[in-house]
Amino acid sequence: QKEVEQNSGPLSVPEGAIASLNCTYSDRGSQSFFWYRQYSGKSPELIMFIYSNGDKEDGRFTAQLNKASQYVSLLIRDSQPSDSATYLCAGGTNAGKSTFGDGTTLTVKP
Amino acid sequence: KAGVTQTPRYLIKTRGQQVTLSCSPISGHRSVSWYQQTPGQGLQFLFEYFSETQRNKGNFPGRFSGRQFSNSRSEMNVSTLELGDSALYLCASSFTGTGISEAFFGQGTRLTVV
Repeated sequence: QKEVEQNSGPLSVPEGAIASLNCTYSDRGSQSFFWYRQYSGKSPELIMFIYSNGDKEDGRFTAQLNKASQYVSLLIRDSQPSDSATYLCAGGTNAGKSTFGDGTTLTVKP
Repeated sequence: KAGVTQTPRYLIKTRGQQVTLSCSPISGHRSVSWYQQTPGQGLQFLFEYFSETQRNKGNFPGRFSGRQFSNSRSEMNVSTLELGDSALYLCASSFTGTGISEAFFGQGTRLTVV
């Protein structure tokens, strides 16, 4: 079992819809979680991080964390074609180690 | 503020050779992590350096090594290159290297082994 698992995708949503990306983790030592967006041929770009249970909102993006269920999610509201990318979930420990999931590829269709 | 700089951007090497990649972190950042990214394996953690010490290590063979200098710049070395080492190598820097300190990636070095 991988330490960080993401829904395999690919995920396709129409423009304006809500895209839901999910991630589970097995290392209870993970204290904080990160969502990165990676466009094809580019390096990952940090979108959001979260370390407290609950929701964290930033514009059209909402990250959700449930430590009891070891579950992290990212919601993208009003999805745009420019949101089409691979989204990587990562868990980080206080010892400096970050573990990434394999990513979920999102396509937003106009 | 300058971002994370990786050099070179592209590299072609022959099997059996060795290669050294460089990463200059964001000014003030003391933690540098290295990752290998391939289409089949995703983003795999190689190692992390903090204040010139290797603090974390992934599951890669000893052919992969690294170091960090006093100015936080880091190098990664791969000896006896194999075809399977062809990948995008990414480094990421963060301020403290703790789980709460977000990491920022460089543009990567695309290594091709022929």
